[in-house]
Amino acid sequence: QLVLTQSPSASASLGASVKLTCTLSSGHSSYAIAWHQQQPEKGPRYLMKVNSDGSHRKGDGIPDRFSGSSSGAERYLTISSLQSEDEADYYCQTWGAGIRVFGGGTKLTVL
Amino acid sequence: EVQLVESGGGLVKPGGSLRLSCAVPGFTFTKAWMNWVRQAPGKGLEWVGLIKSKTDGGTADYAAPVRGRFIISRDDSKKTLYLQMNSLKTEDTAVYYCSADPGGAATGPLDSWGQGTLVTVSS
Repeated sequence: QLVLTQSPSASASLGASVKLTCTLSSGHSSYAIAWHQQQPEKGPRYLMKVNSDGSHRKGDGIPDRFSGSSSGAERYLTISSLQSEDEADYYCQTWGAGIRVFGGGTKLTVL
Repeated sequence: EVQLVESGGGLVKPGGSLRLSCAVPGFTFTKAWMNWVRQAPGKGLEWVGLIKSKTDGGTADYAAPVRGRFIISRDDSKKTLYLQMNSLKTEDTAVYYCSADPGGAATGPLDSWGQGTLVTVSS
């Protein structure tokens, strides 16, 4: 079964960097994922697609502070030079034949 | 940036029906695979279903909780996506988002989102 696992919460200080993790279920380590940001009281926003080889392609207008990487079954979203507006929920998402799957989301607090 | 605009949300009684719409002007709608995603109050994102482009077959797939009750359709001439929701349950209460997927060989990542419409199922 295709499942994505995320830590429920993360925190980092203003101006620092943070690395969020999304883990693919067993047998699905070759899958690409997408990262989405959801700021409070807003709809989701597509950030990027991250492939199993670590390459990533960002959506239009996504700042250079956001980057993606991979290792095995883990997919990462790194945000550098954290700003207050980065405080949001971050969801990973993947896909298979006839199905789309979301992780449970990570709530990022900027201290 | 692509704009997706949902409408049709509201209050409905359990067992009732509602139809949501999503307008996508100024977008290569015909090639996109269109999705519905929902978010219950205080919860995470949940995929509801998708409809492929006509070029890719035009068929729909659904998540288990809504299969047999919800129907996704599209009108390419109007660049509009629909979600017909029948036999509604209280657990269907959520903000419903439409989202676009590039389709074809690039299908998968949901790279455009609407602002959402709230559906409340309550007696």
